[in-house]
Amino acid sequence: GENVEQHPSTLSVQEGDSAVIKCTYSDSASNYFPWYKQELGKRPQLIIDIRSNVGEKKDQRIAVTLNKTAKHFSLHITETQPEDSAVYFCAAEGGSQGNLIFGKGTKLSVKP
Amino acid sequence: DTAVSQTPKYLVTQMGNDKSIKCEQNLGHDTMYWYKQDSKKFLKIMFSYNNKELIINETVPNRFSPKSPDKAHLNLHINSLELGDSAVYFCASSTPRRIGNTIYFGEGSWLTVV
Repeated sequence: GENVEQHPSTLSVQEGDSAVIKCTYSDSASNYFPWYKQELGKRPQLIIDIRSNVGEKKDQRIAVTLNKTAKHFSLHITETQPEDSAVYFCAAEGGSQGNLIFGKGTKLSVKP
Repeated sequence: DTAVSQTPKYLVTQMGNDKSIKCEQNLGHDTMYWYKQDSKKFLKIMFSYNNKELIINETVPNRFSPKSPDKAHLNLHINSLELGDSAVYFCASSTPRRIGNTIYFGEGSWLTVV
């Protein structure tokens, strides 16, 4: 079945710097890769996703890149702000039922 | 008009008790889930239902029994609670796989077993 590895587990940056979180997956048949943001005490919420027919997608300060050959995808946050501090989860669609398999999360801290 | 709502939000109970968590979604989705998030923040799928039918049942003890009376509801019943069951349980629903499989989570139910 699908296995998703996520790195780093913690990331601390200064406000205004960029942050990059990387994920790898094992199932070459996976076609959908969402990213979720979970603020402290809140539910995970979708912030951006990418499908296998594109290599990059941007939404304001957030971008996601996908390399299907290497089976890895990354989240890029530019001009980080304190409110970006949260746990970020990558996920890949896997298995015959297409359920999402989540990475173990990255705790991002943005220092003002 | 919360999209995915679950109750209770907080639950403190003693070992050995039986408890239930209820979940309802008003998004019209066919697929619903239960996820468990432990103290390390790992999100693990427990069950998936599609149109009231069990699709996914990960390695979860038999003490956990989901029930879906209709496609808008997926309740979770837990028998003989153990200390290790303490976690946050998220109910979720998703759009059809063919249009993206976007998961919408409920607010979570914080279960503490003492």
